[in-house]
Amino acid sequence: NAGVTQTPKFQVLKTGQSMTLQCAQDMNHEYMSWYRQDPGMGLRLIHYSVGAGITDQGEVPNGYNVSRSTTEDFPLRLLSAAPSQTSVYFCASSYRSVAGYNEQFFGPGTRLTVL
Amino acid sequence: SQKIEQNSEALNIQEGKTATLTCNYTNYSPAYLQWYRQDPGRGPVFLLLIRENEKEKRKERLKVTFDTTLKQSLFHITASQPADSATYLCALDNQAGTALIFGKGTTLSVSS
Repeated sequence: NAGVTQTPKFQVLKTGQSMTLQCAQDMNHEYMSWYRQDPGMGLRLIHYSVGAGITDQGEVPNGYNVSRSTTEDFPLRLLSAAPSQTSVYFCASSYRSVAGYNEQFFGPGTRLTVL
Repeated sequence: SQKIEQNSEALNIQEGKTATLTCNYTNYSPAYLQWYRQDPGRGPVFLLLIRENEKEKRKERLKVTFDTTLKQSLFHITASQPADSATYLCALDNQAGTALIFGKGTTLSVSS
């Protein structure tokens, strides 16, 4: 199993450009999420999905869109990049058991710089 | 809203000692709490999960406690090694049970 994969690893954008960060998992997990990590701020949840066709906002959703058309993929779209979106982005997946959700499996991250 | 605090940004200890990291939370009662390890330039890696009805959980040199009265979790690494140097994150489920809320992390440095 590849686990959680993210592409690209690095990206530089100009202000106003749009792009999509890709995330895929091969563990058949129903739950997927996107976080951003900034120095001194920790991991902050952007959007999450509890299954195909279902998405919801996290703590910092503004400027980002998501969709979940398949169990495997959960892309994150930046509509019009801003310097404040310079960050490291992590995608994660998890599964639900009778006791609730379990550990999250994280991807390697995408380091995004917006000039 | 839920608030999570990890006791310090940095902790320095000597090899062989026990490292103790603290995670405090306010404003709600999570169903479970998790601890992750993150190395520079990498994604977080899951270490341990403890549920609200469990007081303690162990895995090799790691031990986690969960005190729902104090609203606190302690994370211990016994016989610490330089390879344990990393940032450790605690995380709790949100009230809906649909997302994890992370603390800012504690960076542990173990010197030989």
